[in-house]
Amino acid sequence: DTGVSQDPRHKITKRGQNVTFRCDPISEHNRLYWYRQTLGQGPEFLTYFQNEAQLEKSRLLSDRFSAERPKGSFSTLEIQRTEQGDSAMYLCASSKQPWQTTYEQYFGPGTRLTVT
Amino acid sequence: AQSVTQLGSHVSVSEGALVLLRCNYSSSVPPYLFWYVQYPNQGLQLLLKYTTGATLVKGINGFEAEFKKSETSFHLTKPSAHMSDAAEYFCAVSVGMDSSYKLIFGSGTRLLVRP
Repeated sequence: DTGVSQDPRHKITKRGQNVTFRCDPISEHNRLYWYRQTLGQGPEFLTYFQNEAQLEKSRLLSDRFSAERPKGSFSTLEIQRTEQGDSAMYLCASSKQPWQTTYEQYFGPGTRLTVT
Repeated sequence: AQSVTQLGSHVSVSEGALVLLRCNYSSSVPPYLFWYVQYPNQGLQLLLKYTTGATLVKGINGFEAEFKKSETSFHLTKPSAHMSDAAEYFCAVSVGMDSSYKLIFGSGTRLLVRP
């Protein structure tokens, strides 16, 4: 069990550029979640996958955001035409299927995005 | 809809003193409750969880929490604070009604430990 990993850990980009983040969940976990955390706040849910299927997207996830999990393993989160308001920590978490676990999620170290 | 309220954005204690971080939740169904800890520029680490069964749950690093349904509370305690406990603590409730089990977090409490 190597834990959840995220890449890159830090990303600085200029407004209007596109960025892509990667998350590798714990290998036997079917569920993968993305959250966004702004300074001084708790994480907020963005979207989640069960295997390769994206089952829910938050209203926070504007049309500029897209997430994929093509083979049910790693996931990517892309932000197009970044805005300064996108500056935040993007957290990925994974868990087993609900009936296999007690519902806890395991978090990666996060990707801190700064849009200048 | 589920929600979480953490009272006190900052709590300061002396090393060796009792730690008490407050969390109240709102849920229309039996909740699954969690406490996570976050160190600077890091992800969240699970401290403890309540799903069913015993209402007093023990976690890592000497922390424990008690689920009180009548008070809709899940306060986090530790008998004796250590300098290494200084971090941000988040209480969260899991949304199971829609089968997502996504987490709804409180706004966090920053724990400061004075030497």
